[in-house]
Amino acid sequence: DSGVTQTPKHLITATGQRVTLRCSPRSGDLSVYWYQQSLDQGLQFLIQYYNGEERAKGNILERFSAQQFPDLHSELNLSSLELGDSALYFCASSGGGETQYFGPGTRLLVL
Amino acid sequence: GQNIDQPTEMTATEGAIVQINCTYQTSGFNGLFWYQQHAGEAPTFLSYNVLDGLEEKGRFSSFLSRSKGYSYLLLKELQMKDSASYLCAVRVDRGSTLGRLYFGRGTQLTVWP
Repeated sequence: DSGVTQTPKHLITATGQRVTLRCSPRSGDLSVYWYQQSLDQGLQFLIQYYNGEERAKGNILERFSAQQFPDLHSELNLSSLELGDSALYFCASSGGGETQYFGPGTRLLVL
Repeated sequence: GQNIDQPTEMTATEGAIVQINCTYQTSGFNGLFWYQQHAGEAPTFLSYNVLDGLEEKGRFSSFLSRSKGYSYLLLKELQMKDSASYLCAVRVDRGSTLGRLYFGRGTQLTVWP
């Protein structure tokens, strides 16, 4: 158990819909990272937050957005969903050290 | 951009030793990580190298050569449960992107009895 929690574990929705994925980092960790993992793309970095502020952006689509709240939990919002958005979405957190610890992931299926 | 290469698949037998290589080309390099990921599960941290040399941790060791842009993960006394994908990830610190990791596509290791 990494100490990072993610909800929900599974999500099934339809094209065009909007969903919100939630992540709680390990106690004391200020950085939160979001990743997307699909079978053909590997682990793709989406976005990083540090203590409530956006720190780095990766291959995140404009239909996707994220934020980190004062209590340090983070949410990833995915809108106008397409079939190709079906993937595993991981959240990771890190503290003052370098290592990122991953949550169990949310498996999203868009039908 | 970042270029991280590792073999797609490897196989080995129980009790054997396997070495998984990773080469990278990047600017702002500040460390290399290895993660293990079982299918459908979260990546779990195995090792971190920032200086040249070998880091040993039980059955697993990781080596880094910064000048060659090269790392390997060595797994000894292989067990069936070691069958998993092994991800090489490079940490890049550049401007505001502190701590960002770039991942390779992963090496799927299958351990046979």
